[in-house]
Amino acid sequence: SQQGEEDPQALSIQEGENATMNCSYKTSINNLQWYRQNSGRGLVHLILIRSNEREKHSGRLRVTLDTSKKSSSLLITASRAADTASYFCATDGVAGANNLFFGTGTRLTVIP
Amino acid sequence: SQTIHQWPATLVQPVGSPLSLECTVEGTSNPNLYWYRQAAGRGLQLLFYSVGIGQISSEVPQNLSASRPQDRQFILSSKKLLLSDSGFYLCAWRASSGYGELFFGEGSRLTVL
Repeated sequence: SQQGEEDPQALSIQEGENATMNCSYKTSINNLQWYRQNSGRGLVHLILIRSNEREKHSGRLRVTLDTSKKSSSLLITASRAADTASYFCATDGVAGANNLFFGTGTRLTVIP
Repeated sequence: SQTIHQWPATLVQPVGSPLSLECTVEGTSNPNLYWYRQAAGRGLQLLFYSVGIGQISSEVPQNLSASRPQDRQFILSSKKLLLSDSGFYLCAWRASSGYGELFFGEGSRLTVL
């Protein structure tokens, strides 16, 4: 399976601190994506990084990708209470694959 | 703009009863469609995906089936529910290119008693 695995499973920080979540996967990928899920809701796409990219930014989000280590990290800077949610990485297979495999997620709690 | 609708939002069903969850997409054509299941506090398990009408791929053997009777309609069914079918079911779509972001519905929480 090429499912991603996030680390840590849970993270609790104070508002204003940075939050870093990691994702590891097993097989070659076309791209890697990060999603956010508020409790009991659907997932919302945050950012996509292609296999030939190493770093990508979007607002307070910074994603890195190391294909040699088959790992990615999501950094949320200057966290807010509203960032409290579960965060998932998802890997898209190489050409010919047509599905997206999700990891088990990191539960982030930002304490006001 | 594109939207995705998924219903019902919540249902409680007895063991052995049938199931039908429906998902429709608006504002796009020929989307790839997906059904995921999420157990409590866990990640997402891909159940089925479809690249076109009548084309269903199953990722795991199970008590469920999926159908795509129309281009933008995706249905998840079961003839007889098991306790283990309880969970949070999510429908999603993305562009027919097969890559790019997924757009999710709000989910259906199924409790089998």
